[in-house]
Amino acid sequence: AQSVAQPEDQVNVAEGNPLTVKCTYSVSGNPYLFWYVQYPNRGLQFLLKYITGDNLVKGSYGFEAEFNKSQTSFHLKKPSALVSDSALYFCAVRRNQAGTALIFGKGTTLSVSS
Amino acid sequence: EPEVTQTPSHQVTQMGQEVILRCVPISNHLYFYWYRQILGQKVEFLVSFYNNEISEKSEIFDDQFSVERPDGSNFTLKIRSTKLEDSAMYFCASVRATDNSPLHFGNGTRLTVT
Repeated sequence: AQSVAQPEDQVNVAEGNPLTVKCTYSVSGNPYLFWYVQYPNRGLQFLLKYITGDNLVKGSYGFEAEFNKSQTSFHLKKPSALVSDSALYFCAVRRNQAGTALIFGKGTTLSVSS
Repeated sequence: EPEVTQTPSHQVTQMGQEVILRCVPISNHLYFYWYRQILGQKVEFLVSFYNNEISEKSEIFDDQFSVERPDGSNFTLKIRSTKLEDSAMYFCASVRATDNSPLHFGNGTRLTVT
């Protein structure tokens, strides 16, 4: 079975500092990995994905994520956090099969202080 | 940019009543999904739908739940006899086809069962 773990319920960082939100995954075969962000009372918005190719993928709003196969990790990063980045972040994985469902982690609340 | 739309935004119902949550996926999308999120918690997969039939479902999606695409635009989730623990945000999502495009989520319906 596929699964995703986000070990931190909350990450606190000061504005301007780098941020990392951690994610590890378990899936049979090659994983397709995603990060989504959720603002209060809204749906999930896509940030970035890893399918194949470069281990470092860049996405929306200056976010990037590094795929590490040996550590089965896909951590979300940003070099300089903004207060407006404060939100709930979800890592997700799906099997390498068309149309199969995304399985989400439990989410990590990112709080950026000014 | 086209959006997934969900109605109503908030539904209050009494325990034991039937509810139907409605979604209009993006028009050229072929795969449809329902997820739920109990307040501020993990986003849980319920069911995926393709070519007018269920393609995957989770163990949450028991006989109390059903999905339907009654016409060319709507995608509905029915809960036959609601329970208190069905109170959650329900998100509809859709994706275009067999490529790795990200899921597009609606803003959700908040279901409150009293």
